[in-house]
Amino acid sequence: DAGVIQSPRHEVTEMGQEVTLRCKPISGHNSLFWYRQTMMRGLELLIYFNNNVPIDDSGMPEDRFSAKMPNASFSTLKIQPSEPRDSAVYFCASSLFLNMGTEAFFGQGTRLTVV
Amino acid sequence: GQQLNQSPQSMFIQEGEDVSMNCTSSSIFNTWLWYKQDPGEGPVLLIALYKAGELTSNGRLTAQFGITRKDSFLNISASIPSDVGIYFCAGQSSAFGNEKLTFGTGTRLTIIP
Repeated sequence: DAGVIQSPRHEVTEMGQEVTLRCKPISGHNSLFWYRQTMMRGLELLIYFNNNVPIDDSGMPEDRFSAKMPNASFSTLKIQPSEPRDSAVYFCASSLFLNMGTEAFFGQGTRLTVV
Repeated sequence: GQQLNQSPQSMFIQEGEDVSMNCTSSSIFNTWLWYKQDPGEGPVLLIALYKAGELTSNGRLTAQFGITRKDSFLNISASIPSDVGIYFCAGQSSAFGNEKLTFGTGTRLTIIP
């Protein structure tokens, strides 16, 4: 398996523009997570889905952020409008539901720079 | 909400030395995971722990699930240059595996030549 695939790897955009980050989870996994990583705040969970349904979006910073999972093999995280403080590395992770616990596998991340 | 305190924040060691780091939680976890992150990459899972008191090894890495279920330890023996990176603990509170992971703040490991 190719693992979790994220695109793009790098994104530079101007303040006010819309940004869309994409994620393809590992085939067969039924949970998907979006994280944001910064030096100041570390790894923060933004939202996670189970069986394509958003379960907890309490980590989404504000209404400018939205995430969708239209099917089991694709998810997007959208920021509109983007702001410089959104600059961070955004990770997508997926996991297979297990009774004993969940091991999440991460993609390589999208480094977003908003200027 | 749940908080994970990871220590130390950074370590500077010489090649060949053993390394120890730990995480403590303000509440009980049912699963503990340890990840390593290399520069420019996503975290990679190293070890998963599912039972209180469990001791699990993966090569030179050994991790333990604390008996109180509020802490976990990771040891690396005989460190080598490729061990450099940031190590994260992560805990999960649900027994059903359908809950989010809470991550520690990370331990940055540097090997001094």
